[in-house]
Amino acid sequence: AQSVTQLGSHVSVSEGALVLLRCNYSSSVPPYLFWYVQYPNQGLQLLLKYTTGATLVKGINGFEAEFKKSETSFHLTKPSAHMSDAAEYFCAVTKSGGGADGLTFGKGTHLIIQP
Amino acid sequence: GAVVSQHPSRVICKSGTSVKIECRSLDFQATTMFWYRQFPKQSLMLMATSNEGSKATYEQGVEKDKFLINHASLTLSTLTVTSAHPEDSSFYICSARDTIKETQYFGPGTRLLVL
Repeated sequence: AQSVTQLGSHVSVSEGALVLLRCNYSSSVPPYLFWYVQYPNQGLQLLLKYTTGATLVKGINGFEAEFKKSETSFHLTKPSAHMSDAAEYFCAVTKSGGGADGLTFGKGTHLIIQP
Repeated sequence: GAVVSQHPSRVICKSGTSVKIECRSLDFQATTMFWYRQFPKQSLMLMATSNEGSKATYEQGVEKDKFLINHASLTLSTLTVTSAHPEDSSFYICSARDTIKETQYFGPGTRLLVL
């Protein structure tokens, strides 16, 4: 079974600073990996995804993530934080590999932006 | 990105009654939709996979007779919480899978409160 671990339930950075949200996964098959963002009382918005091919994936709002198979990681980064980035971020992997299944989510990381 | 809607966004009901939640993919056809449940300040848990024209597949521990799922068309899946109890109060989120883009798009969620 697939699993996702997000290190740090809360991450606080200053506006303009680098954002790094960590995600490690466990998968018995080549994984499909996703990052979603959730604003208060809203559904999830896809930031970016990795399926196959290029390991550095660029997403919306200046975010990017790099798939590192050797480290089983898919960390999310953004060079310069903006106040509007404050939200809950979820890393997810498809339940049994490939793209056809439901998602297994990490517990989420609450990103706080300090002015 | 693709649009998935849910209705209603909020519902309050009395214990023992049934509540139906609709999930629609507005700009693509979805042979597969998923239902998730999110408790306060926690991650999303996959409840079931809804396949158009066939029976839903439920995750372990999810009562299929309590959470009835119908996927009658390529753009609509419904979740009915039968004989709701206060412990069923939660945030229910659906997603629709875009087969071509190999991505799940999430609805805005339905907040259910059972009194």
